[in-house]
Amino acid sequence: AQTVTQSQPEMSVQEAETVTLSCTYDTSENNYYLFWYKQPPSRQMILVIRQEAYKQQNATENRFSVNFQKAAKSFSLKISDSQLGDTAMYFCAFVDGGTSYGKLTFGQGTILTVHP
Amino acid sequence: DVKVTQSSRYLVKRTGEKVFLECVQDMDHENMFWYRQDPGLGLRLIYFSYDVKMKEKGDIPEGYSVSREKKERFSLILESASTNQTSMYLCASSFGTSNQPQHFGDGTRLSIL
Repeated sequence: AQTVTQSQPEMSVQEAETVTLSCTYDTSENNYYLFWYKQPPSRQMILVIRQEAYKQQNATENRFSVNFQKAAKSFSLKISDSQLGDTAMYFCAFVDGGTSYGKLTFGQGTILTVHP
Repeated sequence: DVKVTQSSRYLVKRTGEKVFLECVQDMDHENMFWYRQDPGLGLRLIYFSYDVKMKEKGDIPEGYSVSREKKERFSLILESASTNQTSMYLCASSFGTSNQPQHFGDGTRLSIL
């Protein structure tokens, strides 16, 4: 079974600065996908960024980028130029690329607070 | 935009009651999922469905059942509610392949007294 670990229960950052959220995972699969999801306070969970394991290039979406280290089974999220609206709980998630019907395994979550 | 709608944001029930949580999606997604979210534990999969009338157990199915009679609707049933089922429940849906992101509802905060 796959496991996903987020070792930082809470993080804080000043507005306009950069913060990195950590995520490690454990799997014996070679074909899989990794996701970061964001859950703002009292609001809907939304996708931040997605990485395919077979791609060496790190995914980037505007101010959000990942550092994907396949051998180390590490998948960290970097948020640049942090904004107040980035305050949220962030979840790292893994899905097996085989016949898993897209079942996600989530980490414990990291609460990020952006301070003005 | 994909819309996943959960029937209630907040629900209070008593122990022993049968509780129904409803979820509807409007994007013709094949897959639908029920999670519960607890502090420090992240999201844990209760049940999922990959087609009408098809269902599979997730990681924590005990005390729950599900129903999917129509493609757009996925119901979670607590057969006899207990206090340890007090939690936030999230419904999600996605297209059939693993690389497709899941789209989530707003969640139902369920309290069992």
